[in-house]
Amino acid sequence: QKEVEQDPGPLSVPEGAIVSLNCTYSNSAFQYFMWYRQYSRKGPELLMYTYSSGNKEDGRFTAQVDKSSKYISLFIRDSQPSDSATYLCAMSAGGATNKLIFGTGTLLAVQP
Amino acid sequence: GAVVSQHPSWVICKSGTSVKIECRSLDFQATTMFWYRQFPKQSLMLMATSNEGSKATYEQGVEKDKFLINHASLTLSTLTVTSAHPEDSSFYICSASGLAGVRKSYEQYFGPGTRLTVT
Repeated sequence: QKEVEQDPGPLSVPEGAIVSLNCTYSNSAFQYFMWYRQYSRKGPELLMYTYSSGNKEDGRFTAQVDKSSKYISLFIRDSQPSDSATYLCAMSAGGATNKLIFGTGTLLAVQP
Repeated sequence: GAVVSQHPSWVICKSGTSVKIECRSLDFQATTMFWYRQFPKQSLMLMATSNEGSKATYEQGVEKDKFLINHASLTLSTLTVTSAHPEDSSFYICSASGLAGVRKSYEQYFGPGTRLTVT
């Protein structure tokens, strides 16, 4: 079993839709949860960061963490064609090594 | 802020040769740099972690004699793929993690990646 599971998609939605992206994990030591956006042949860009359980909102993006269920989500409101990219969840137990474990990424296409 | 660059962005080399990839943090001091490899439609797989002035720590299954990592300063790390073979063709991405206070230590900032093709 992988430490982090993420549906690879692809996920296709019409412009303006609400997008829900999810990851599950097995390691209860994870405390830091990140969402990255990666355009084709580019490096990942940090979108959202959350520590422990709870919600965090930034503009059209909302990140949720449910540690009891080992489940994290990223919601995108009013999706735009420019949101089309691969979204990667990543997690870390923190500490000196700061090692990130990534999901496989979900490819999102927002149709105009 | 938090800009990480990589050079080159794309390289083609012949089988058996060595290739060096540079990773630089442009506007902050990176105490730790990470090297990842990403195959098409797959996630980032951590290859090694390097701290400035120390030997790199390699992940299980990564050959340290094949993937040489040097982290000589707080702004530069290099990855050298030695005796490259076609199966080493991949997208190599570095990331940098800075000092707490200015940059949270658990945030990593990624470079744009280097596409290596070995013929």
